[in-house]
Amino acid sequence: QSALTQEASVSGTVGHTVTLSCFGTSNNVGRYTVGWYQQISHNPPKTVMFGSSLPSGIPARFSGSKSGTTASLTISGLQPEDEADYYCSTWDDSLSAWVFGGGTKLTVL
Amino acid sequence: QVHLVESGGGVVQPGGSLRLSCATSGFIFHYYGIHWVRQTPDKGLEWVTFIWKDSSKTFYADSVKGRFTVSRDISKNTVYLELNSLRADDTAVYYCARDNGPYSSSYYWGQGTLVTVSS
Repeated sequence: QSALTQEASVSGTVGHTVTLSCFGTSNNVGRYTVGWYQQISHNPPKTVMFGSSLPSGIPARFSGSKSGTTASLTISGLQPEDEADYYCSTWDDSLSAWVFGGGTKLTVL
Repeated sequence: QVHLVESGGGVVQPGGSLRLSCATSGFIFHYYGIHWVRQTPDKGLEWVTFIWKDSSKTFYADSVKGRFTVSRDISKNTVYLELNSLRADDTAVYYCARDNGPYSSSYYWGQGTLVTVSS
């Protein structure tokens, strides 16, 4: 069982907006920057959001936020190439370890 | 441009050992920590270990503690992961990834190297 909880699957229509969630605790999400990673067909993960900062080369339709112990990744103007698995990760100071969520499979309709 | 290139993967028998390398370029090596993350064919990402930018701290997942050892060589801009007492459930693609600051998660990722533990 992952320390961070994500929706198993989310779907959205091209052009619309979807929000993926990463539920944690005050020992991880509530205190530390959350990274979001996109993985397409088991290719290497790509960082698409770091906290609320957009890495270089990532489209501006991706945005990140956090409220309490829940982090969110929002994709606006959804595109077919956004279909992928998305993972969140952060440091957990009660475990003295980094933790990942179980991942969300995003389907673009 | 930041690059990380893993090597050293292969097929090894249960109980065997392997050493993975992560060659880095495009950034000041001793400014950043390095993670190792693995992924089995049908599962998600699992954090394995992390080495601090100056090697002063290392952290391990419980599943590998006592069996895996991470180290780094500043003269070669390379991080190593020694895998010992390998088990079938260690079979995975192993990625190295650079952090982005203290206690930060992975930021730049390598392409991965496959480790298969099988008799």
